[in-house]
Amino acid sequence: DAGVTQSPTHLIKTRGQHVTLRCSPISGHKSVSWYQQVLGQGPQFIFQYYEKEERGRGNFPDRFSARQFPNYSSELNVNALLLGDSALYLCASSPFEENIQYFGAGTRLSVL
Amino acid sequence: GESVGLHLPTLSVQEGDNSIINCAYSNSASDYFIWYKQESGKGPQFIIDIRSNMDKRQGQRVTVLLNKTVKHLSLQIAATQPGDSAVYFCAERTWFSSGSARQLTFGSGTQLTVLP
Repeated sequence: DAGVTQSPTHLIKTRGQHVTLRCSPISGHKSVSWYQQVLGQGPQFIFQYYEKEERGRGNFPDRFSARQFPNYSSELNVNALLLGDSALYLCASSPFEENIQYFGAGTRLSVL
Repeated sequence: GESVGLHLPTLSVQEGDNSIINCAYSNSASDYFIWYKQESGKGPQFIIDIRSNMDKRQGQRVTVLLNKTVKHLSLQIAATQPGDSAVYFCAERTWFSSGSARQLTFGSGTQLTVLP
């Protein structure tokens, strides 16, 4: 069975640009969460979606937004990119809201 | 700062020895804890979890201990192998500020290196 898949794997952007990251959860999983992982640190929670509704949001600016589609896949959007947005962005899925989360390999975003 | 932290940023052990990775948490309302393993270039991989109504849980070669009195978690890996070399994170589940659901809060990780 396929795990959580994320695309693209790597991305290079310049300051001020916009980026869209994509995530496909494990088949049957209805909850998707997004995390930002800066080098040398643990993942930091950004958003959680369940059944296409936002269930929680971490301490991130409004430049960050997300959505979940009817097929439970998800997009993370970041506007007006800053150098500090350079990080590994991880997507995790779980069958329901509060089950074990299974992570994808992430999208490495570099902002120049 | 983060509410979940680790006592040691790096740990080196000889192959075949047992490893112990420690984690402190500060939120007494956390009811669920997970250990993840992250290898270079990969996402975190679930290892084992424990609920706050338990003190100990065992898996294959791994054991998690929870001491709620001092808000401390540990991950024990028996007969450590080269494939165990990775960064290990503990995470605690806490409520969102909205109270609608719960999120995972991760610590900063411990780098485990297994020496031949």
